[in-house]
Amino acid sequence: DIQMTQSPSSLSASVGDRVTITCRASQSISTYLNWYQQKPGKAPELLIYAASNLQSGVPSNFSGSGSGTDFTLTFSSLQPEDFATYFCQQSYTTPYTFGPGTKLEIK
Amino acid sequence: QVQLQQWGAGLLKPSETLSLTCAVYGASLNDYYWSWIRRPPGKGLEWIGEINYSGITTYNPSLKSRVTISLDTSKKHFSLKLTSVTAADTAVYYCARGGSTTDYWGQGALVTVSS
Repeated sequence: DIQMTQSPSSLSASVGDRVTITCRASQSISTYLNWYQQKPGKAPELLIYAASNLQSGVPSNFSGSGSGTDFTLTFSSLQPEDFATYFCQQSYTTPYTFGPGTKLEIK
Repeated sequence: QVQLQQWGAGLLKPSETLSLTCAVYGASLNDYYWSWIRRPPGKGLEWIGEINYSGITTYNPSLKSRVTISLDTSKKHFSLKLTSVTAADTAVYYCARGGSTTDYWGQGALVTVSS
């Protein structure tokens, strides 16, 4: 299985901050990388697919980049509704695997 | 508006069979892959498996011997069965549209395995 890691595991930040989360795959996955946001008690929501494509309806303050093994999710200016847990997921091959998550908290 | 609504038993004893169903509204089962994913308490997400519009399934090898995903296009739903459950299967289970990339999810169903 392809192992996914994320850093940091948790992060405290303020509204308006620029923040970057990193995801790394144990082998090259080209750009087969998705990002999901999950809030407590809710299902995950797709934010970014194929490493850098913004899902329809997702605010443009999110952006994704990377290819191969290293990927980033960037928030240009944190909004109050952005405080949640973020997961990366490789869609390169089954079994599709997720990173352990990054919990973004309000400072 | 695509909606997935799931239901099933929430409390099981060890060795019983988990059974969940996901009804699909606003999309045709014939046009997409459909998946099940779970999140154990305090842990991350785990992909369980997928089924395509032809009924072809792919399962996570870690669960393959115990999992069955099926499709009922006439009833517009798909289902998950997981046999011989243990406490390690306690999780919130989600159904979702898509295979490698899932864009619509059910609300989630907490399944607890306890004697």
